[in-house]
Amino acid sequence: DIQMTQSPSSLSASVGDRVTITCRASQNIITSLHWYQQKPGKAPNLLIYAASTLQTGVPSRFSGSGSGTDFTLTISSLQPEDFATYYCQQSYTAGTFGGGTKVEIK
Amino acid sequence: QVHLVQSGAEVRKPGSSVKVSCKVSGGTFSGRAISWVRQAPGQGLEWMGGSFPVVDTAIYAQKFQGRVTIIADDSTSTGYMELRSLRSDDTAVYYCARRHGGDGYFDYWGQGTLVTVSS
Repeated sequence: DIQMTQSPSSLSASVGDRVTITCRASQNIITSLHWYQQKPGKAPNLLIYAASTLQTGVPSRFSGSGSGTDFTLTISSLQPEDFATYYCQQSYTAGTFGGGTKVEIK
Repeated sequence: QVHLVQSGAEVRKPGSSVKVSCKVSGGTFSGRAISWVRQAPGQGLEWMGGSFPVVDTAIYAQKFQGRVTIIADDSTSTGYMELRSLRSDDTAVYYCARRHGGDGYFDYWGQGTLVTVSS
């Protein structure tokens, strides 16, 4: 199975900060990489698919980049509703999630 | 609008089995594009397996091979996940999710089903 490694596992940030989360695949997955946001007690919500395409309805402060094995999710200006846990997921072979990054209030 | 509605919470004893359902409404797809993801308390998301219409079969994560079965009933637009030989560390919220056929992302999710394994 392809392994997905996210970093950091958690971070503290303030409203208005620029936040970057990285995801590394154990092998080349081209752009078969997607990002989700999850809030406590809720199902995950798709933010970005195919590495860089913003899902309909997702604010433009979210962006994704990368290809091959290294990917990045960026929140350009953190808002109060963005404090949550973020996961990457590969679909090159079936599906594997990264370990998650919890974004907390500083 | 697409909705995935899962069956209710379950409590099982170690060694037993559980079967969770996921009914799809809205949209034009059946249960054949459904994947299952679980989340143990305080832990991350774990993909278990899913139905893949292109190959008309289910594919499972290596960790669950032999212990899980995922099926789809087209007549009722319902997907099912059965997990056998339950252990206490199978206690988790189990989610179904629609896998987009082209890119493989999960765009619609069920509300989650809590399965508690306890003696």
